[in-house]
Amino acid sequence: SQTIHQWPATLVQPVGSPLSLECTVEGTSNPNLYWYRQAAGRGLQLLFYSVGIGQISSEVPQNLSASRPQDRQFILSSKKLLLSDSGFYLCAWSPWQGSSYEQYFGPGTRLTVT
Amino acid sequence: QKEVEQNSGPLSVPEGAIASLNCTYSDRGSQSFFWYRQYSGKSPELIMFIYSNGDKEDGRFTAQLNKASQYVSLLIRDSQPSDSATYLCAVKGYSSASKIIFGSGTRLSIRP
Repeated sequence: SQTIHQWPATLVQPVGSPLSLECTVEGTSNPNLYWYRQAAGRGLQLLFYSVGIGQISSEVPQNLSASRPQDRQFILSSKKLLLSDSGFYLCAWSPWQGSSYEQYFGPGTRLTVT
Repeated sequence: QKEVEQNSGPLSVPEGAIASLNCTYSDRGSQSFFWYRQYSGKSPELIMFIYSNGDKEDGRFTAQLNKASQYVSLLIRDSQPSDSATYLCAVKGYSSASKIIFGSGTRLSIRP
């Protein structure tokens, strides 16, 4: 069965500090990978998605970036955090093949920028 | 017009009753439709998905799709307090590549 991991689970960072969040998927090959952010009491905002190694699509221009160095690894980064970067960061995967497009979410990272 | 619209709620339903959650979408060529449940402070969990017009049942959950009306719903029978959560509707549009579009969710509260 497939498993998706995210770490850290919680993070408190000062404004202007860098960020690195990691997501890995087990039990599947060549998944589509996604990064979402959910602000408190709000809906899901798609930040980046990737259909393969080194292939990143950005949905929202901001101070965040994403990389996919390995097939089942997706990293979200920032050089300088803003207060508005606080939120619940969710990684998700979906099968590459077939007609299904359902996404499965990891446990998330709760980021507080102070 | 939002691509996927849901009433934010809260929707309050007595325990044991049927909870009905609704969602409309704007892309007439949409192909796949998903319902997720999100407990407070947790990540979304896929409940079920539907591709074809009509009903799809899974235990106490029934998804209903009407592509002509661009409408998808989720019925929860015999509602339990543990069903209290935010329910997210998501849609795979015709031209949305590998993405699915999420609604902002409906908060459901089951009162004992």
